[in-house]
Amino acid sequence: DQQVKQNSPSLSVQEGRISILNCDYTNSMFDYFLWYKKYPAEGPTFLISISSIKDKNEDGRFTVFLNKSAKHLSLHIVPSQPGDSAVYFCAASSENRDDKIIFGKGTRLHILP
Amino acid sequence: GAGVSQSPRYKVAKRGQDVALRCDPISGHVSLFWYQQALGQGPEFLTYFQNEAQLDKSGLPSDRFFAERPEGSVSTLKIQRTQQEDSAVYLCASSLQGAGETQYFGPGTRLLVL
Repeated sequence: DQQVKQNSPSLSVQEGRISILNCDYTNSMFDYFLWYKKYPAEGPTFLISISSIKDKNEDGRFTVFLNKSAKHLSLHIVPSQPGDSAVYFCAASSENRDDKIIFGKGTRLHILP
Repeated sequence: GAGVSQSPRYKVAKRGQDVALRCDPISGHVSLFWYQQALGQGPEFLTYFQNEAQLDKSGLPSDRFFAERPEGSVSTLKIQRTQQEDSAVYLCASSLQGAGETQYFGPGTRLLVL
């Protein structure tokens, strides 16, 4: 029973274009969402987060959008760069900050030259 | 500043052997987490410490898995009588305060049980 779902195992995007990674969740108690990026042989690296009081958070080329009614969030990367090729994990936790973070299975992003 | 470090980075064990994996969290981080990541999967929660207290061990797959953090800093994950299905990357993470906050991960220990 996956509470955080990333339905696309992989995604290929041309360099310079927009990359959109999607994530759905089932637990309505989740109200804090994170994206992590992982290169091979390294641990996941925190990228960006969003609290449920917002519907958008932007940090440079990275923007996360949250649609609470649809229980859906997405990560937009624009413009995509070769160094963005990695596995991206969506993760979620609940309001009291003492519940553990639940991770999705990840989406592998390939940036094509 | 130093991030989360883990050792060893790679471990090959024979089935039935005991292994111990070490995690050094970021200095001053109260919370420490262990995850298991199988090939093609996301990190799966194993256990969580706040200082030296193990607050949640619901993710430990069997009583062969044991974790400790006796002084509230370094943590050790021990797997007794390893089985082939224990082969995975074991990730350690720490956060400044609570479990739901941003966690900072170490590079992981890749365990292969033959």
